Amino acid sequence: GDSVTQMEGPVTLSEEAFLTINCTYTATGYPSLFWYVQYPGEGLQLLLKATKADDKGSNKGFEATYRKETTSFHLEKGSVQVSDSAVYFCALTGDSGAGSYQLTFGKGTKLSVIP
Amino acid sequence: NAGVTQTPKFRILKIGQSMTLQCTQDMNHNYMYWYRQDPGMGLKLIYYSVGAGITDKGEVPNGYNVSRSTTEDFPLRLELAAPSQTSVYFCASSQRGLAGVREQYFGPGTRLTVT
Repeated sequence: GDSVTQMEGPVTLSEEAFLTINCTYTATGYPSLFWYVQYPGEGLQLLLKATKADDKGSNKGFEATYRKETTSFHLEKGSVQVSDSAVYFCALTGDSGAGSYQLTFGKGTKLSVIP
Repeated sequence: NAGVTQTPKFRILKIGQSMTLQCTQDMNHNYMYWYRQDPGMGLKLIYYSVGAGITDKGEVPNGYNVSRSTTEDFPLRLELAAPSQTSVYFCASSQRGLAGVREQYFGPGTRLTVT
């Protein structure tokens, strides 16, 4: 079945540092890829997405590129802020059948940004 | 536009008690989902629905039941609460677009403790 593997946390960075959270996936065909963010005490919010190979999703300074050759969708931000402290989830949906609407999540990476 | 709402926000149950977690969405989405989030484990799909009157099991359905009598509502029922059901429960919804099923929108969650 489909699966998502993302780097273990927690990750602690100083403000204005560069962020990379690695995410790789296993799926047949051409899945859609997502990054969700969960701020403390809240539900998940979609951060960005990419639906086909070489697409780049971007939002709020975060970027991720859909790399089919390496089955990866790494999240990056050039300069993190304290307000970026949250848990980040990589996820995918398959390209057909029931898998096309069921999200498969990674375990999440907790990011803490210190001033 | 309220999006996805869930009630209650918190609940403590005794072993063997039953309860219903409520979920409502006002976006006229066809697809709705229930997930549970255990610490460090990401989210796992309990049940989902592709429309009113249609439900199906996800990855971890045991101990739960659902119904979908309207497009807006998707309640989750716990019949005999067990400590293993202590978790945070998230409801989500999504819609089908021209390019397939779109991203999921999540509610704020219900934190359930069974003692």
